[in-house]
Amino acid sequence: SQKIEQNSEALNIQEGKTATLTCNYTNYSPAYLQWYRQDPGRGPVFLLLIRENEKEKRKERLKVTFDTTLKQSLFHITASQPADSATYLCALMTTDSWGKLQFGAGTQVVVTP
Amino acid sequence: DSGVTQTPKHLITATGQRVTLRCSPRSGDLSVYWYQQSLDQGLQFLIQYYNGEERAKGNILERFSAQQFPDLHSELNLSSLELGDSALYFCASSASGGASETQYFGPGTRLLVL
Repeated sequence: SQKIEQNSEALNIQEGKTATLTCNYTNYSPAYLQWYRQDPGRGPVFLLLIRENEKEKRKERLKVTFDTTLKQSLFHITASQPADSATYLCALMTTDSWGKLQFGAGTQVVVTP
Repeated sequence: DSGVTQTPKHLITATGQRVTLRCSPRSGDLSVYWYQQSLDQGLQFLIQYYNGEERAKGNILERFSAQQFPDLHSELNLSSLELGDSALYFCASSASGGASETQYFGPGTRLLVL
């Protein structure tokens, strides 16, 4: 069966350090992988999209890698700040499911001063 | 603010009842998506519309239906409500519904079925 797995344990990290989150998937051939941020009680907010033929994407302090052989994406927040505390969701889209994003359960990040 | 609006913000109702959730997409976006987020299931895709036509369907229950109107706003109808339907319901929109497009999510409607 298809699965998208993110670490269910909260990631507690000190301000200034790099947070690294993992998204593993099975029985998918995603054409696109996206990362979203979600604050409690609010809608997800798009952060980054990476295509299957891209290895890495960056945006300010965020970096995403995509390894289709390992079926894994890593999401890095460098120089983390307390304002980065939130739940981060990865989402996959395959070429035969236009518009149908499949989300992982998300990983909560807590950045302490 | 994503530009997507959803009403109402909160809804409390009883089992067996019917409710309608409303969504207005961002200006210029033609595609609307509905998602359900519950504690045990995470964020689940329900259905997508593009310019009034249904484009993709997820695990949407038969008791649920949706439509997109000519002015592009969308409504999600939930009927014969059960306790397990209690969840956050999000609407999202994108320009044309393509796979590489960003989806912009609304603030959600929190539904509580008692």
